[in-house]
Amino acid sequence: GAVVSQHPSWVICKSGTSVKIECRSLDFQATTMFWYRQFPKQSLMLMATSNEGSKATYEQGVEKDKFLINHASLTLSTLTVTSAHPEDSSFYICSASGRGESTDTQYFGPGTRLTVL
Amino acid sequence: AQSVAQPEDQVNVAEGNPLTVKCTYSVSGNPYLFWYVQYPNRGLQFLLKYITGDNLVKGSYGFEAEFNKSQTSFHLKKPSALVSDSALYFCAVRPAGNMLTFGGGTRLMVKP
Repeated sequence: GAVVSQHPSWVICKSGTSVKIECRSLDFQATTMFWYRQFPKQSLMLMATSNEGSKATYEQGVEKDKFLINHASLTLSTLTVTSAHPEDSSFYICSASGRGESTDTQYFGPGTRLTVL
Repeated sequence: AQSVAQPEDQVNVAEGNPLTVKCTYSVSGNPYLFWYVQYPNRGLQFLLKYITGDNLVKGSYGFEAEFNKSQTSFHLKKPSALVSDSALYFCAVRPAGNMLTFGGGTRLMVKP
């Protein structure tokens, strides 16, 4: 099946620093990638959607200058949390959908746990 | 606007017994329906989906789900639960051309 990886799996950083999270589709071309945020014991909240080669579409209430998304190729999207603060601590999950059989289905990465001190 | 409801926060079942995790949805048109499972500190794993065709869909790890259009439901089922099935289960709906909308999740606890 389709495999999506994320790196790093967890990261701890100081307040004010920037953190980059990578999302890769390993065995299919991801025409669309999604970034979600999940708080403890809650469902996933969609942050933004990105299509390869174009700007991301952010959900209402998500600061695009704080959460920078780059979908540079059909296998890689990055989320950069700029000037991170403790309230940005969360579990960030990416997903991808692509061509062929993977068009209808989003396949999720394993998630990245961000802790901002 | 579309919505997905998982009415049970938690479902408890004994190992070997059948399990059902409920999901109902509200969306216009003919949606695509999905079930995902999440283990602790992990991303979501795709279990199964309904697009069209047979109302009973079979998926990974012995799970299946039944699409009921009149009741707008898509309950997840398994004939015989395993302790290793204990996890968080999410139902999701995607109207044609739109984004996935997730239910709130149901925690399944299978006890030996």
